[in-house]
Amino acid sequence: GQNIDQPTEMTATEGAIVQINCTYQTSGFNGLFWYQQHAGEAPTFLSYNVLDGLEEKGRFSSFLSRSKGYSYLLLKELQMKDSASYLCAVGGGSYIPTFGRGTSLIVHP
Amino acid sequence: EADIYQTPRYLVIGTGKKITLECSQTMGHDKMYWYQQDPGMELHLIHYSYGVNSTEKGDLSSESTVSRIRTEHFPLTLESARPSHTSQYLCASSGGIAGDYNEQFFGPGTRLTVL
Repeated sequence: GQNIDQPTEMTATEGAIVQINCTYQTSGFNGLFWYQQHAGEAPTFLSYNVLDGLEEKGRFSSFLSRSKGYSYLLLKELQMKDSASYLCAVGGGSYIPTFGRGTSLIVHP
Repeated sequence: EADIYQTPRYLVIGTGKKITLECSQTMGHDKMYWYQQDPGMELHLIHYSYGVNSTEKGDLSSESTVSRIRTEHFPLTLESARPSHTSQYLCASSGGIAGDYNEQFFGPGTRLTVL
């Protein structure tokens, strides 16, 4: 099975940088996903890491260390619209992602 | 923008009713999924499909059934709805050929209330 742990809630200031951590334990690993979910809406894909290292995509970056069972999502130049829940999901042996509870990010002016 | 659709978007029904939640995608994806999500909680996988005539149960037993007769269509049926089924139901698909094979695209969801 899989166990995914991420902080429940984080707050940050507009324009700042925030790092959302995710640790996982899994039997079989086929990649780690980050999704963004605004309240009342469906999740939207942000990133997918299958190899160790940092993947950068605009203001968002995602890092993976498979040996440590650890990933983080880095958000730069925070905007108010970045207030959302950020879901870490791990693809197991069957490639079916298992989702964590998500981290609710609140961005203040 | 993802081409995955769910109907109805909102549904309020009485206990014991049989309901079907519809999900269709026009991306030709082979994999499709149904998730249940309560407010502030994680997504729980109910059913998934690897392709036509393939269906598997997920981690959450929700007393529902699915079918996959066509690639684009993956309906979810509750034979007898109960108040415990009140939740948001999200359909997703994956399997694109443009380098996004593992990325899941989600539909807008169906918010179900069982009285």
